[in-house]
Amino acid sequence: GESVGLHLPTLSVQEGDNSIINCAYSNSASDYFIWYKQESGKGPQFIIDIRSNMDKRQGQRVTVLLNKTVKHLSLQIAATQPGDSAVYFCAEKNTGGGNKLTFGTGTQLKVEL
Amino acid sequence: GAVVSQHPSWVICKSGTSVKIECRSLDFQATTMFWYRQFPKQSLMLMATSNEGSKATYEQGVEKDKFLINHASLTLSTLTVTSAHPEDSSFYICSARSGQTDSYEQYFGPGTRLTVT
Repeated sequence: GESVGLHLPTLSVQEGDNSIINCAYSNSASDYFIWYKQESGKGPQFIIDIRSNMDKRQGQRVTVLLNKTVKHLSLQIAATQPGDSAVYFCAEKNTGGGNKLTFGTGTQLKVEL
Repeated sequence: GAVVSQHPSWVICKSGTSVKIECRSLDFQATTMFWYRQFPKQSLMLMATSNEGSKATYEQGVEKDKFLINHASLTLSTLTVTSAHPEDSSFYICSARSGQTDSYEQYFGPGTRLTVT
């Protein structure tokens, strides 16, 4: 998702539904991608990662999809729960940037009961 | 495993004073630590990369004389905000990387909320 100014894009879903959070990245030289979850007032927490030689990776209730052609990354959360409410960030590492991660703007996920 | 702590979790200081924030990797050796700043409803902005035993590498626009970073051991890095001003009020987060060549994951600390009055 894209953000303008101080407004985080927000995704609202019903409990039990699947969530899809999107991220566009700009650097075609990026070779590693990671999704983090950040709850209010806390540090980011690892969810799942994927290397550029893959287009899909699955974890527990989460799936990351990578489309290098259009430089797009998505995070799918199955059976979304109230505890999934947080801000989700994608991050990328590019081959020329050392070990630095560049974070996207973030998406606020709100789970409605 | 892979726990990173920060101290303090929050601090209030007066304008013109200096504040030191500690970042520790509790159960692994961190060859590289990173310092980020995050303003409300915004993303994490990398301030600097710190390698044990060497000088930190600062991102463009970050004043190295204002944000002093010391990475004296494989488990501790410190960030000192010198002559703090209200505009330095922010959420400061550190992360650590274990140095395994096949992993780029960064483990994040819980963050430090700095308020400068």
